[in-house]
Amino acid sequence: GAVVSQHPSWVICKSGTSVKIECRSLDFQATTMFWYRQFPKQSLMLMATSNEGSKATYEQGVEKDKFLINHASLTLSTLTVTSAHPEDSSFYICSARDGLVNEQFFGPGTRLTVL
Amino acid sequence: QKEVEQNSGPLSVPEGAIASLNCTYSDRVSQSFFWYRQYSGKSPELIMSIYSNGDKEDGRFTAQLNKASQYVSLLIRDSQPSDSATYLCAVNGFGGGNKLVFGAGTILRVKS
Repeated sequence: GAVVSQHPSWVICKSGTSVKIECRSLDFQATTMFWYRQFPKQSLMLMATSNEGSKATYEQGVEKDKFLINHASLTLSTLTVTSAHPEDSSFYICSARDGLVNEQFFGPGTRLTVL
Repeated sequence: QKEVEQNSGPLSVPEGAIASLNCTYSDRVSQSFFWYRQYSGKSPELIMSIYSNGDKEDGRFTAQLNKASQYVSLLIRDSQPSDSATYLCAVNGFGGGNKLVFGAGTILRVKS
């Protein structure tokens, strides 16, 4: 159990385009999902907390108009990187919190490369 | 002071030995503690959770928690080369909040 999927697993796009990443909890309901970014050889950086049916809470320094988060259901959250630029190239990882067991499970990540 | 501190390593142990990974945290109200393993290029994988003082064992892994000392550790017995990874300590409940706060991680290398 406790499987979180992400799609796509990798994406290459041109500068200025938008990219949508989906995160799904497959076998549990997640009232809270989290979006992280990780640059090579660096720590996980929390970008935002996504709550089902309400607005996401962004961490300091993360542009909410650039990283659009939607948590439309208890099993799906999406992150849209708008007008992507090369500096947005990174490993984006979502996680979902299973409230029944108070544990947080990560998706496999999406590797974004902006040319 | 960092909220969750770990020695970055690398910690090198021979195959078959016990690897001991340590973590300290700053917020006394924290209630939940987790260890994640992250292989290079992959996302973190939950391997242990612990909520009460003392030891919790799961296979070759033992998590230890001492809330008075604000200290949590992970022991890996009979270390295998496949255990080589970065181990992330995570703490939930900082300031009463819901999000996990991660340490920077300790790199473990198990030499065969």
